[in-house]
Amino acid sequence: DAGVIQSPRHEVTEMGQEVTLRCKPISGHNSLFWYRQTMMRGLELLIYFNNNVPIDDSGMPEDRFSAKMPNASFSTLKIQPSEPRDSAVYFCASSRQGAATEAFFGQGTRLTVV
Amino acid sequence: KNQVEQSPQSLIILEGKNCTLQCNYTVSPFSNLRWYKQDTGRGPVSLTIMTFSENTKSNGRYTATLDADTKQSSLHITASQLSDSASYICVVSGDTNAGKSTFGDGTTLTVKP
Repeated sequence: DAGVIQSPRHEVTEMGQEVTLRCKPISGHNSLFWYRQTMMRGLELLIYFNNNVPIDDSGMPEDRFSAKMPNASFSTLKIQPSEPRDSAVYFCASSRQGAATEAFFGQGTRLTVV
Repeated sequence: KNQVEQSPQSLIILEGKNCTLQCNYTVSPFSNLRWYKQDTGRGPVSLTIMTFSENTKSNGRYTATLDADTKQSSLHITASQLSDSASYICVVSGDTNAGKSTFGDGTTLTVKP
């Protein structure tokens, strides 16, 4: 398996623009997670899907952020409008089911909002 | 408030030496504790996962211990290699819902030749 695949690897956008990050989880994994990582705040869980259904989105910073998982093999994280403080590395991870199983992370998308 | 505290914040050791990283947590209830290794510019990679009943778990030169009574965990690295230079993150889950996880800030390990 190719692992968790994220795209793009790097994104530079102007403030106010819409940004869409994409993730393909490992086939057969039921759980998908979106994380944000910054130097100041470390790794933060944004949202968690189980069987394509959002279970916990309490980490989503505000209404500008939205995430979807239309099927078991694809998820998006959208920021609209983007702001400079959204600059971070965004990771997608997947696991078979629940916290007791190993989560596999993608390579991340480094987002820079100027 | 659920918290995970890691120490030291950073560590420099010589190649071939051993080292131990610490993780103290106040997460309750407890489901499992995970150690991740994150190389610069890459996503975290799971090293070990331990549940309440497990005291020790090894993965090659990495050995994690867990004391659920004192709520402490350690990650011991034996015979360090240059490739061990990375950030090591301790994550504690409070229930079977993986979304309820608390992350430590990580320990940055540098192994020098």
